[in-house]
Formats: sequence, C-alpha cells, structure tokens
Amino acid sequence: DTEVTQTPKHLVMGMTNKKSLKCEQHMGHRAMYWYKQKAKKPPELMFVYSYEKLSINESVPSRFSPECPNSSLLNLHLHALQPEDSALYLCASSQDSGGSNQPQHFGDGTRLSIL
Amino acid sequence: GEDVEQSLFLSVREGDSSVINCTYTDSSSTYLYWYKQEPGAGLQLLTYIFSNMDMKQDQRLTVLLNKKDKHLSLRIADTQTGDSAIYFCAESNQAGTALIFGKGTTLSVSS
Repeated sequence: DTEVTQTPKHLVMGMTNKKSLKCEQHMGHRAMYWYKQKAKKPPELMFVYSYEKLSINESVPSRFSPECPNSSLLNLHLHALQPEDSALYLCASSQDSGGSNQPQHFGDGTRLSIL
Repeated sequence: GEDVEQSLFLSVREGDSSVINCTYTDSSSTYLYWYKQEPGAGLQLLTYIFSNMDMKQDQRLTVLLNKKDKHLSLRIADTQTGDSAIYFCAESNQAGTALIFGKGTTLSVSS
C-alpha cells in the first residue's frame, strides 16, 4: 500500500469546470511534488514544495494552481483545462528537497479526463 | 543537461532472469533509482543505490552500478508474471530537487 494518498482516483471534467486534486502523506516528509504523466511516457515534473513553500514551478500554465495548506497536504486546483491536459497526475513526497537527493515516494495518481 | 536512456522493451519467460539496463549522464547524482509502474497505478519505488556502491541486493532484485561508464542495471531473478510492468530508471538533477526519468522499459513476462 502506498503511503502517499491521492484523491480522487478518477476525475472527468469539462473545460469550464473548477476542480481540485488532493494529496496527503503522513511520513513527516517536508518536500512534496506534482508530476504529470501522459500514456506510455515518463512523469514530468510540474511543481515542488519544500517546507510548505513553492520552490519550483516548471513553467506550468496558470490554469494549474498548486497549494500546500500544511506539511502533510498538497492540492492542485484546476480551472479552464484543455483536452491535452488529460493525463495521470502523480503526487510524490520526500524527506526534503535539494542536495540530499532523498528517494521520492509516489501516490497512485488521479486519472484526469477533460471533455 | 541531464539525460537517462533505457531500452524500451524486454520480453522474458517466467522463471528466467530479467536484466534492464540504463545509462545516465549526471555523474554528480547521489542516488540512482528504479521505479515500477503497473497498469493504471502510480510509481512504486523498487530500490535505489547510493553512488559510492557497486552493487545492492534485495531479495530477487540486484542493482549493479558502473560509475565509470555511467551504467545502471536491474536484475530480477526468477521473473514472475506479476513482474510485468514498466520499469523506470531515474537520477536526481544536479540541484537534487527533481528526478530525471528514463522513458521506461516495458517488461513482458510470458508463462
């Protein structure tokens, strides 16, 4: 069983909807990540939070808005998405980020479909 | 920049050994990782090796690291049908803030 929990597992939304993806970990990790994965491709980094502060934004469009309410939770707010945003969205966490290269632990992902 | 290369497919028979190979470019990586992804699932951290080690064994898994050639391999002994999945090799970027993944090797195990 994964120690990183993502909800919902599946999400279908229209291009005008607003929805949020949620991620939770209770391993005491201080770094959390959002990745996007298209079919048959490796994950691509979107955002990194370190000690609840956004440290990396990989030039992600503003229709994706991350939020880290506390050290255990990470949200990804979605608004006005495009069909090409359909993908598996993976959350990961690690002890910290930067320099220590600690292993990242992934959740099972949210499979997002944009109609 | 950093880059990780893997072969895309490997097909083996149940009970045989599987060897998945990976080459990487960033010699400053502290750790190198192997992740497994089953259909419809997230990434499972299988094993990782510290860069000052040559080999790490964990039950049926053996990781070999050749730092000189920047080559990493994952050997799965007595491969089972449940091992069928995509295996990603990954290294950390230079800042240690993100993982650089290979394209993934699809392992197919036939009975």
